[in-house]
Amino acid sequence: EDKVVQSPLSLVVHEGDTVTLNCSYEVTNFRSLLWYKQEKKAPTFLFMLTSSGIEKKSGRLSSILDKKELFSILNITATQTGDSAVYLCAVDSNYQLIWGAGTKLIIKP
Amino acid sequence: NAGVTQTPKFRILKIGQSMTLQCTQDMNHNYMYWYRQDPGMGLKLIYYSVGAGITDKGEVPNGYNVSRSTTEDFPLRLELAAPSQTSVYFCASRRPEETQYFGPGTRLLVL
Repeated sequence: EDKVVQSPLSLVVHEGDTVTLNCSYEVTNFRSLLWYKQEKKAPTFLFMLTSSGIEKKSGRLSSILDKKELFSILNITATQTGDSAVYLCAVDSNYQLIWGAGTKLIIKP
Repeated sequence: NAGVTQTPKFRILKIGQSMTLQCTQDMNHNYMYWYRQDPGMGLKLIYYSVGAGITDKGEVPNGYNVSRSTTEDFPLRLELAAPSQTSVYFCASRRPEETQYFGPGTRLLVL
């Protein structure tokens, strides 16, 4: 059965810290891995990763995929209170996205 | 380009009532999805469609029905509302191998 597992499930850090969120997967017909951020509304897209070892970067956020070890990480440096959210990982497999349960990140001022 | 739109934003239903949640996208996407998200939980796939006239069940289809008569519209029907269907419902769409776009969600309360 296809599955996507995120860790940790929740994380509390102080503003300015760096965090690393993990996403591992066991999915047949892997096409890509996607990261989303969800605040109190619909998820918003962050990154799509298709190739191993190529870092995607947007401001203080970056992500990388390891297709051999079947995982991805999302890094956030110099965290701000506005980074508080649930971060969702999903794998594109055939017609569907297989979703992880999310990591709830809380940034304390 | 409005993206994915959903109506209504919020609805209260009595047990046993029925309703249709509307979803429209103007991006000419083939794939469309309905998810539900219970408080503090992840997304669960209800139904999906890979094109007009084609629908398939997801993880939690019981109590729901869908149709896809056009590329743009993908309504979700609740026939006999139950308290267990209290949730936030998200519609989403995408092209194959591209990112998925979400609608703003419909919050449903069944009392």
